[in-house]
Amino acid sequence: GQQLNQSPQSMFIQEGEDVSMNCTSSSIFNTWLWYKQDPGEGPVLLIALYKAGELTSNGRLTAQFGITRKDSFLNISASIPSDVGIYFCAGVNTGNQFYFGTGTSLTVIP
Amino acid sequence: GAVVSQHPSRVICKSGTSVKIECRSLDFQATTMFWYRQFPKQSLMLMATSNEGSKATYEQGVEKDKFLINHASLTLSTLTVTSAHPEDSSFYICSAVRGGSYNEQFFGPGTRLTVL
Repeated sequence: GQQLNQSPQSMFIQEGEDVSMNCTSSSIFNTWLWYKQDPGEGPVLLIALYKAGELTSNGRLTAQFGITRKDSFLNISASIPSDVGIYFCAGVNTGNQFYFGTGTSLTVIP
Repeated sequence: GAVVSQHPSRVICKSGTSVKIECRSLDFQATTMFWYRQFPKQSLMLMATSNEGSKATYEQGVEKDKFLINHASLTLSTLTVTSAHPEDSSFYICSAVRGGSYNEQFFGPGTRLTVL
């Protein structure tokens, strides 16, 4: 099935730094979702986006639904050690099909 | 929030045996549940869609006779890996949808299957 491309694939940052990652697709999506997966666990929903251009925050996390509807961005401000994990974007397309992104692995160095 | 459980969390079995994994929505009813498979450092790959009271819908390339899915009630779906082989070793994750929206899709904690 289709996968959404995430970049970067992995990140190593110092505690306190801001993080930015994105998710792109060649086709249009109606909904963008961002999840975090801790090792050995299932994904947990962080933010859901429903409209092109929408900017939504959840604590130190901010995500945007791209204007073209083909991309989305997630930013994490002032990273802390517990931000470590794999972040997945996901999208729901016009056919109501759900796809996961390829994932961005985040390591925060104390 | 909504809770989805999986049992067992880890299982080790011999090649040729069958393994059953349970997925339960603990505080809501789920008409639809999904089964995913995840290899190390990779994304979740959808295996099948489990609908209560009807046959599961399998993704292309997933053998339905190998991965048997039963969604017998609105709170329970089971995945049985039949005649398991080492290449079936993986992390299996289920999810349950509350209501009809994907943002109400809640994931289980996963089951680590190791086939010797």
